[in-house]
Amino acid sequence: AQKVTQAQTEISVVEKEDVTLDCVYETRDTTYYLFWYKQPPSGELVFLIRRNSFDEQNEISGRYSWNFQKSTSSFNFTITASQVVDSAVYFCALSEGYNAGNNRKLIWGLGTSLAVNP
Amino acid sequence: GAVVSQHPSWVICKSGTSVKIECRSLDFQATTMFWYRQFPKQSLMLMATSNEGSKATYEQGVEKDKFLINHASLTLSTLTVTSAHPEDSSFYICSAIYVRDRGFHEQYFGPGTRLTVT
Repeated sequence: AQKVTQAQTEISVVEKEDVTLDCVYETRDTTYYLFWYKQPPSGELVFLIRRNSFDEQNEISGRYSWNFQKSTSSFNFTITASQVVDSAVYFCALSEGYNAGNNRKLIWGLGTSLAVNP
Repeated sequence: GAVVSQHPSWVICKSGTSVKIECRSLDFQATTMFWYRQFPKQSLMLMATSNEGSKATYEQGVEKDKFLINHASLTLSTLTVTSAHPEDSSFYICSAIYVRDRGFHEQYFGPGTRLTVT
């Protein structure tokens, strides 16, 4: 069965601290995609990254970095030098198959609420 | 490009009335759209898959007669909450599938509609 686990429900850090959000997934497919989304208080989902199962290279985008490890089925997200504007709920999600017909259901984790305090 | 809009962004209605929420893909055609609901401090829950020109596919536990979905065109899907009750109060999010070259599917999210039933 497909499943995404974000064990950290809430994290609170002080500005400029580094913080890592964990994501562990389960799937039987060999082809799948992993995503991270940010949901600020406004509610609108902000796409952060998509990673396919064949690409285990870590990715860095500014203060954001992602560590994908198939051996541990994890896709962790690190924010370096956190800022107050990073305060949001962050969701990890899984999508199986290259194209499941016209469907592309996402399996969502429960989210991690990050509070960055000044 | 690939923008999805929702209307209204928020709505308050009285118990027993029906509310219609629109989801539009503004600059692309979407044969498939998804409807999610999200309760406070919870993850997104997929309600149904909306396919243009055919009946929606509902997830287990979602009442078809209560949540009417109509995907009448390639750019518009509507969700009607019929005979709304306070427990239907939630944040409703739609997404639309954009098919890129070579058939790769990308999912774009609307900004959400906050429904409050009094």
